[in-house]
Amino acid sequence: AQRVTQPEKLLSVFKGAPVELKCNYSYSGSPELFWYVQYSRQRLQLLLRHISRESIKGFTADLNKGETSFHLKKPFAQEEDSAMYYCASRGGSEKLVFGKGTKLTVNP
Amino acid sequence: DTGVSQDPRHKITKRGQNVTFRCDPISEHNRLYWYRQTLGQGPEFLTYFQNEAQLEKSRLLSDRFSAERPKGSFSTLEIQRTEQGDSAMYLCASSLYWGQHTEAFFGQGTRLTVV
Repeated sequence: AQRVTQPEKLLSVFKGAPVELKCNYSYSGSPELFWYVQYSRQRLQLLLRHISRESIKGFTADLNKGETSFHLKKPFAQEEDSAMYYCASRGGSEKLVFGKGTKLTVNP
Repeated sequence: DTGVSQDPRHKITKRGQNVTFRCDPISEHNRLYWYRQTLGQGPEFLTYFQNEAQLEKSRLLSDRFSAERPKGSFSTLEIQRTEQGDSAMYLCASSLYWGQHTEAFFGQGTRLTVV
C-alpha cells in the first residue's frame, strides 16, 4: 500500500533562512509526487509536482528514488510562506495519498 | 468564484441523523473526488467519479456512506445514522482527465460536527 510520511509536524524558521520540508514515500512502482499548500483560511492548492520539475514561489522539490524522498526546499524563506504543507503521491490508482502535513512558520 | 464549491460550509448534527453534502465542480471537469480530513491528518481518499460513473471507493466508505453524481455535474455525499467518528472536514476536488492527469482543484470543504 502507498504511504507518505512527513516526519515533522511543526517547522519554524526565521525569515531569510533556508527551509526544507521532508517527505518520504513508500510505493513499489513509480509514483507521481506532489506538494500541496494550505494558507490560513484558504483551500488546499497544488504547489508543485515532480513531473513538471518547475520552481513555484521559489520552492523546488527533487525526487530521489534511491531514498524514496521528495523533500521541498526554499533557499530563503518569507513570512508569506507560513502555511500547512502536504506531500502526496499517486501510483497504481487514481487517488492521492497524503501525508499528515507539516505546519511551517516563518518568523520575522 | 468559479472554483469548486461545497455546501454547506459547516454542519452540526445529532448522532443518528442523516446528512447530505453537495459539491459543484469546475464546470468542464469530468473527474470529481471526495476526501475526508480529520484533525492532525492529511486528506484521506473516499471515492471518485468520472462523469457519472463511480469508479473507485475506499474501504473507509462504510455502508452508511453513499455518493452520487447523477448527471456528471454536481455530486452529493450522504452519511446515514451519523456517528461521532464521522466528525471531520469533507473535501471535494475536481479535475479534467483526458488520458493524462491535470491539476485537481479543491473546494473549501464542509466541516461536519456530530454531537
